[in-house]
Amino acid sequence: EAGVAQSPRYKIIEKRQSVAFWCNPISGHATLYWYQQILGQGPKLLIQFQNNGVVDDSQLPKDRFSAERLKGVDSTLKIQPAKLEDSAVYLCASSLEADSPLHFGNGTRLTVT
Amino acid sequence: RKEVEQDPGPFNVPEGATVAFNCTYSNSASQSFFWYRQDCRKEPKLLMSVYSSGNEDGRFTAQLNRASQYISLLIRDSKLSDSATYLCVVLNYGGSQGNLIFGKGTKLSVKP
Repeated sequence: EAGVAQSPRYKIIEKRQSVAFWCNPISGHATLYWYQQILGQGPKLLIQFQNNGVVDDSQLPKDRFSAERLKGVDSTLKIQPAKLEDSAVYLCASSLEADSPLHFGNGTRLTVT
Repeated sequence: RKEVEQDPGPFNVPEGATVAFNCTYSNSASQSFFWYRQDCRKEPKLLMSVYSSGNEDGRFTAQLNRASQYISLLIRDSKLSDSATYLCVVLNYGGSQGNLIFGKGTKLSVKP
């Protein structure tokens, strides 16, 4: 079974620039998550999709972050404009259903300078 | 009180030692519980689910105490390869959807 694919693996940008991350979940997984993991902390949920609908985006800083999953498969997460405190690893995960174990991608390590 | 709290690390133990991690959660309605393992600069991976009756997988034993809102993970005969960060994860339901809450993690370092 192919795992969760994410790209890019690394990204370095200056503050106020824009950046986008891409995620392809495991085939057949209805639920897709974006997490932010700051160094030394556990992953923090940014947004959860069930198919192509958003079910939880309560912790997404909507003034600068946006995410979509238009066809219920791939997803993109965008930050515009980036701030220094956005430096983190952005993890995409998918699961068969909302209460099934998560399968994580390798993550995108973002550095904002 | 944070939703999921774990023992502050790091734990530095010799090979063969037994080590225990604790985790407390604040939401008494939490439904499911998990331990994930995260290696340095890698993604978290599911280690084991935690069942009410307690469960064991080889050298790993997970326990749940709903009354005290407490979860534990015991590792016996620790190996060098057990060195990692262990994340306690709690599933809460809000409406019809589950929401997984991660603890900060406890770092384990097993030394020869």
